[in-house]
Amino acid sequence: SYVLTQPPSVSVAPGQTARITCGGNNIGSKSVHWYQQKPGQAPVLVVYDDSDRPSGIPERFSGSNSGNTATLTISRVEAGDEADYYCQVWDSSSDHLVFGTGTKVTVL
Amino acid sequence: QVQLQESGPGLVKPSETLSLTCAVSGYSISSGYYWGWIRQPPGKGLEWIGSIYHSGSTYYNPSLKSRVTISVDTSKNQFSLKLSSVTAADTAVYYCARQQGDILTGYFSPDDAFDIWGQGTMVTVSS
Repeated sequence: SYVLTQPPSVSVAPGQTARITCGGNNIGSKSVHWYQQKPGQAPVLVVYDDSDRPSGIPERFSGSNSGNTATLTISRVEAGDEADYYCQVWDSSSDHLVFGTGTKVTVL
Repeated sequence: QVQLQESGPGLVKPSETLSLTCAVSGYSISSGYYWGWIRQPPGKGLEWIGSIYHSGSTYYNPSLKSRVTISVDTSKNQFSLKLSSVTAADTAVYYCARQQGDILTGYFSPDDAFDIWGQGTMVTVSS
């Protein structure tokens, strides 16, 4: 089955840039979606189709996808960005949806 | 606006069937979109359970497929999850969610992102 690998944790100082990777075989050929989840809350979609943002999501959140790695970039990180982040794709070879392992972002 | 609300027993005995319903308000399920179930065991990551189109077409996680049934009731504007033969490993917060599509073109796909989520409901499997 298709596997998406994320680093367990990323630490970043306020005002700096956080980059969260999502690795998968030829992931660049798939559409990648990203979710933010704060403790005790449901996930929130922050980027879809590799690099599009839903309405209400700050421009500080951006995405890219190429080769075997997709990346969620959070610019000018704020304390409120501290959360778990998950990537997600659809594996068309087996017709099923896969979530990444998740990355905990800590704002120092 | 569109809202989703999960409901069902918070405690299920081992070997029994877990049954949850997701009530949709603010939008008619019969008009489109894929609708999905996702779960999250305590302290762990997200796991997709399956998705259903308003027509009843379904996709399931292969690891759960033998135990899962997702159905839609357009008359009640809700969709449901049944998971049979549960064990402690099925203890989790269960979320229902809508998969975004293009309402203007009428193009909906199971690879769409989950743009609207319910608040989640905790289900514990224990005797």
